[in-house]
Amino acid sequence: LAKTTQPISMDSYEGQEVNITCSHNNIATNDYITWYQQFPSQGPRFIIQGYKTKVTNEVASLFIPADRKSSTLSLPRVSLSDTAVYYCLVGDGGDSNYQLIWGAGTKLIIKP
Amino acid sequence: DAGITQSPRHKVTETGTPVTLRCHQTENHRYMYWYRQDPGHGLRLIHYSYGVKDTDKGEVSDGYSVSRSKTEDFLLTLESATSSQTSVYFCAISESSGRAGETQYFGPGTRLLVL
Repeated sequence: LAKTTQPISMDSYEGQEVNITCSHNNIATNDYITWYQQFPSQGPRFIIQGYKTKVTNEVASLFIPADRKSSTLSLPRVSLSDTAVYYCLVGDGGDSNYQLIWGAGTKLIIKP
Repeated sequence: DAGITQSPRHKVTETGTPVTLRCHQTENHRYMYWYRQDPGHGLRLIHYSYGVKDTDKGEVSDGYSVSRSKTEDFLLTLESATSSQTSVYFCAISESSGRAGETQYFGPGTRLLVL
C-alpha cells in the first residue's frame, strides 16, 4: 500500500517562496497527484494537480520528478492568507483494489 | 462553489445513542465520501459511494454505516456513538472516477461531540 509523508508543520514569512514536499512510494501508475488547501473551519479545496514534470496555475506550482516518488508544492511570494493546512492526495492499486491515500497534512504558518 | 450541504452542522449527543449525518449534493456527481478529521490524523476515509446503493468501506469504517438511496443524498450513521467518534465529519463529492486525479469538493463539515 502506498504511503505518503509530509512535514507536519512549516513557518515562513510574507513574500517568501514556500516549498512543501510529499513523499509517496508505489502510487498508481496512471494517476495524478493532487494537492488541497484547508483553512480553519472549512473543508479542503483543490489547489493543483499534476502527473509529471511541472504544472503551474494562478495559485501554485507543482513539481513532480520522473520517478513520481515525491511531489513538491511551491507557493510563490506567500502572504498571511496562505496560512493553512496543505494535503497531498495520491492513489494506489488497480481497478479492483484502488485506494485514495491522503497525506497527514502540513500546517503552514506565514508570519508578517 | 459546488452545491454540497451537510446537516446538522453541529451536534452534541450522548454515548450509546444513534446519530445520522446527512450530506446533500446538487451536482449529480457519482462519487460521495465521508471523512473524519481529528488533530494529528488529517483526513481519514470512513465510507464512500460510487452510485445509488453502491458503497464501500474506507480505512476507519468500524462503528459507522452508510446509505445512498438517491444520487443526491449520502447518509452516515453512527449506530451507537462513542466518545472516540467525537470529530469533525466532512462529506465530499467527485464527478465520475473516484481517482486521486479527480477533484473532490468538500462540504462545510459537521462538528460532532459525543459525551
